[in-house]
Amino acid sequence: EIVLTQSPGTLSLSPGERATLSCRASQSVDNKSLAWYQQKPGQAPRLLIYGISSRATGIPDRFTGSGSGTDFTLTISRLEPEDFAVYYCQHFGASRKTFGQGTKVEIK
Amino acid sequence: EMQLVESGGGLVQPGGSLRLSCAAPGITFSTYWMSWVRQSPVKGLEWVANINEDGSAMIYADSVKGRFTISRDQATSSLFLQMSSLRAEDTAVYYCARDYYDSRGDGYDIWGQGTMVTVSS
Repeated sequence: EIVLTQSPGTLSLSPGERATLSCRASQSVDNKSLAWYQQKPGQAPRLLIYGISSRATGIPDRFTGSGSGTDFTLTISRLEPEDFAVYYCQHFGASRKTFGQGTKVEIK
Repeated sequence: EMQLVESGGGLVQPGGSLRLSCAAPGITFSTYWMSWVRQSPVKGLEWVANINEDGSAMIYADSVKGRFTISRDQATSSLFLQMSSLRAEDTAVYYCARDYYDSRGDGYDIWGQGTMVTVSS
């Protein structure tokens, strides 16, 4: 089973700043099987990125996914007030779909 | 905004059973894999089980294998999770989610609001 490790645990930034979130896999990941989600308190996760770099429907282009092999990144180019939330990466394995432990992006 | 609707959560004693349901009003259901995902403060987000389009293939996390059963009813666009031999560590918010996929990859594109399951005496 692939284990996903996200860093940092918490990112303290101001609106307008750039956020860079990391997701590292314990083994190499297939090109299509890495997704990113945003979750706000009391809400279900929301799909942002799938297939490593494809934005889901309605997701603004300030969200960018990249990476390959074992190292993946979610970049938010300019933080908007509504972007302060917890972000999770997920691996869609053939038989198991594991999540990272999350990165909280908080207002500095 | 399209959303799945879960129901059936509640308080149950250790060793007990519970059946969760998930409805898909106005959502294309029959041509997608569907999943159950749970979330607790201790374990975070955890994939539980998924089922293919026609209900002929099911996959389970090791933590629930042999105790939980996922099923679906295409006629009513409903997803179910039968949970038995429940343990304290099964306490979580349970979400159903649709497994969207295209040539670029997979992602859970539609989620429910979640239903709370508490296993406690």
